[in-house]
Amino acid sequence: GENVEQHPSTLSVQEGDSAVIKCTYSDSASNYFPWYKQELGKRPQLIIDIRSNVGEKKDQRIAVTLNKTAKHFSLHITETQPEDSAVYFCAASIGNQFYFGTGTSLTVIP
Amino acid sequence: GAVVSQHPSWVICKSGTSVKIECRSLDFQATTMFWYRQFPKQSLMLMATSNEGSKATYEQGVEKDKFLINHASLTLSTLTVTSAHPEDSSFYICSASLIAGETQYFGPGTRLLVL
Repeated sequence: GENVEQHPSTLSVQEGDSAVIKCTYSDSASNYFPWYKQELGKRPQLIIDIRSNVGEKKDQRIAVTLNKTAKHFSLHITETQPEDSAVYFCAASIGNQFYFGTGTSLTVIP
Repeated sequence: GAVVSQHPSWVICKSGTSVKIECRSLDFQATTMFWYRQFPKQSLMLMATSNEGSKATYEQGVEKDKFLINHASLTLSTLTVTSAHPEDSSFYICSASLIAGETQYFGPGTRLLVL
């Protein structure tokens, strides 16, 4: 089955700096890569996603890049704000199923 | 759009009782619903995948007789934790997708505490 690894597990940045979270996957058949943000005690919410036929996607301060050859994808958050503090999960999708990374706890220091 | 609700949000029960959790897609018909379990500070662990009108597909290590899943309609799936024990205490989250393999929309989760 698919194996998704996510790094780092924790990340602290100063407000206004950028944050980068990286994920790798093992199965080249994965074709959809969503990123979710989960605040404490709340549901995961989709923040951005990318499909295998696209190399990069951007939505305001958030961007995702995908390298199919190397089987890795990354989340980039620019101009971080305290409200960006949360746990972020990457996922890789094959068929019907999502395989989630282990999560990154991001803290933005005011 | 794409709202998923879950009920109840909190359950406290005695050991040995059964608990039913409902997951509903409020504004779309979900071809597939998923049930996850999440321990504190850990990732989402997929328990089972359910399609309307068919038996759920359970992940390895998940007891299907303990975690009963019924997907009665395109907008409702239920998870019943039978004869709950303290080790079943966890955060259970459902999700639903309109198209297989596409975006999953998560419910708010149900926190279960078994005494």
